[in-house]
Amino acid sequence: GAVVSQHPSWVICKSGTSVKIECRSLDFQATTMFWYRQFPKQSLMLMATSNEGSKATYEQGVEKDKFLINHASLTLSTLTVTSAHPEDSSFYICSARIGEYNEQFFGPGTRLTVL
Amino acid sequence: DQQVKQNSPSLSVQEGRISILNCDYTNSMFDYFLWYKKYPAEGPTFLISISSIKDKNEDGRFTVFLNKSAKHLSLHIVPSQPGDSAVYFCAASSGNYKLTFGKGTLLTVNP
Repeated sequence: GAVVSQHPSWVICKSGTSVKIECRSLDFQATTMFWYRQFPKQSLMLMATSNEGSKATYEQGVEKDKFLINHASLTLSTLTVTSAHPEDSSFYICSARIGEYNEQFFGPGTRLTVL
Repeated sequence: DQQVKQNSPSLSVQEGRISILNCDYTNSMFDYFLWYKKYPAEGPTFLISISSIKDKNEDGRFTVFLNKSAKHLSLHIVPSQPGDSAVYFCAASSGNYKLTFGKGTLLTVNP
């Protein structure tokens, strides 16, 4: 149980285009979903917290107009990187929390490369 | 300012021996701690957690120890197996379910 999927697993795009990443909880309803970014040899950095039906809460320094998060249902959250630039190239990972448990279950991640 | 620190970027251990991964934190508001295992190009996998009201939690080969006064926790893996080779992340939360991660420690278990 507690499986989280992400799609796509990798994407290459041109600078200036927008990319959408999907995060799904496959066998449970997620109370909250989180989006992280990880640069090489760095820790996972929380970008935003997403609750179904409400606006995402962004961490300091994360541009909400650039990283659009939509949490349409209890099993799906999407992250759209708008007008992507090479510096947005990174590994993006989502996670989901069940009920009141502290554990987060992570998706497999999406490798974004912006040319 | 890193609130969760894993000072050893790597650790090498012989198969069958004990692996000890360490983690220090600075935020005294943290009350829940987790260890995750991560393979390259994959998302982290939850291993084990501990609440601040405990000082030890055990699950099979994995044991987490928490020393609140020292703001230190450790993950013990006994016996270590080659399949345990991965990056291990320590994470902490303070009641708001947000996780703060360390930079990770690469564990290599040699056959």
